[in-house]
Amino acid sequence: DQQVKQNSPSLSVQEGRISILNCDYTNSMFDYFLWYKKYPAEGPTFLISISSIKDKNEDGRFTVFLNKSAKHLSLHIVPSQPGDSAVYFCAAVDDQTGANNLFFGTGTRLTVIP
Amino acid sequence: DTAVSQTPKYLVTQMGNDKSIKCEQNLGHDTMYWYKQDSKKFLKIMFSYNNKELIINETVPNRFSPKSPDKAHLNLHINSLELGDSAVYFCASNQGLAGRNTGELFFGEGSRLTVL
Repeated sequence: DQQVKQNSPSLSVQEGRISILNCDYTNSMFDYFLWYKKYPAEGPTFLISISSIKDKNEDGRFTVFLNKSAKHLSLHIVPSQPGDSAVYFCAAVDDQTGANNLFFGTGTRLTVIP
Repeated sequence: DTAVSQTPKYLVTQMGNDKSIKCEQNLGHDTMYWYKQDSKKFLKIMFSYNNKELIINETVPNRFSPKSPDKAHLNLHINSLELGDSAVYFCASNQGLAGRNTGELFFGEGSRLTVL
């Protein structure tokens, strides 16, 4: 029962263009969302997050958009750089419970072509 | 200095054996976790400890037993290993507070377990 889904296992983008990674969730109790980036042979590292009270959060080249009615969020990277090539995981949490159980998607492998 | 470190990074063993993976964090965090990433790349929580107390225990066979000697360590012991246990196991930590927290986790590099 996967509560967080990333339906695109891979994405290729030219350097300098925009990368858009998508994520859908099913649990309406989720109120905090995070994106993690993972390089091979390393653990995931936190990238950016958004609370359900917002619909957009921006940090440099990275912007996360949240559409609560559609239970959808997306990560935009612009301009994309070769160093952005990695696997990106979307995660969601029901922050009210305090248990801090993060539910992860299966990841999208982004390849930025120089 | 590695914030969350786990050992070993690679572990190859026979079915039926018992093995342990160790995890230590030097971030002063209260909460530690074990996640399993299976062959389908699905990253799923197994256990969570807050100040040495178990707070999350997902549906995991009782062959898996976490041990937290102190809040900086969370070890994972696996008895009678099976082929399906082959996966990458990630340890993580965060400054979990009773009630509300941001959910940002700091992960170790992962331990790839291969059961033959």
